[in-house]
Amino acid sequence: GESVGLHLPTLSVQEGDNSIINCAYSNSASDYFIWYKQESGKGPQFIIDIRSNMDKRQGQRVTVLLNKTVKHLSLQIAATQPGDSAVYFCAENIQGAQKLVFGQGTRLTINP
Amino acid sequence: GAVVSQHPSWVICKSGTSVKIECRSLDFQATTMFWYRQFPKQSLMLMATSNEGSKATYEQGVEKDKFLINHASLTLSTLTVTSAHPEDSSFYICSARTWGKDYGYTFGSGTRLTVV
Repeated sequence: GESVGLHLPTLSVQEGDNSIINCAYSNSASDYFIWYKQESGKGPQFIIDIRSNMDKRQGQRVTVLLNKTVKHLSLQIAATQPGDSAVYFCAENIQGAQKLVFGQGTRLTINP
Repeated sequence: GAVVSQHPSWVICKSGTSVKIECRSLDFQATTMFWYRQFPKQSLMLMATSNEGSKATYEQGVEKDKFLINHASLTLSTLTVTSAHPEDSSFYICSARTWGKDYGYTFGSGTRLTVV
């Protein structure tokens, strides 16, 4: 389940289950969204992106859903594996300003 | 794909000294780079946008005299933390805007700064 820790919310899932990580973004003018995975001590690693003219995009084992009406983004990871343990961030490209702003992040932990 | 190299990966400096972090685009030209700071268990906070050949644009609350940014070439941006103090200890990450088939943002591997 989900819990809110001191800073980062944590999502714990069983290995093999699907994971859904949610993100609320702030700027209705954002035109491009990216999900990143970050492992301890490393820079963000690109997972999948989606432009604002789409509502769904699929990659290998990952799907991103975009709901512009409520400014919500989700990342679905199918058949979660131990290697998926990391912190996941959504990020929005602020149209006009052309800068990338990160969301709060969620720590995903996998239970064996 | 586009690669951004950040150096050093970690640095320890004494309080009151300055430290420079480099961010290089290895196989493309980056007119725009970005600097982020990340404290433990927190998200990445955008500090500034680095523009080649012009002054950086700083986010609200970021001291431009404290965090000097230079983007003198299309492949190199530097962040200098001046008169560092322990509260400046953090993970600093750069990224570059990319276009074409690598459309998006490419990130460096980060620099762990510890001020003692």
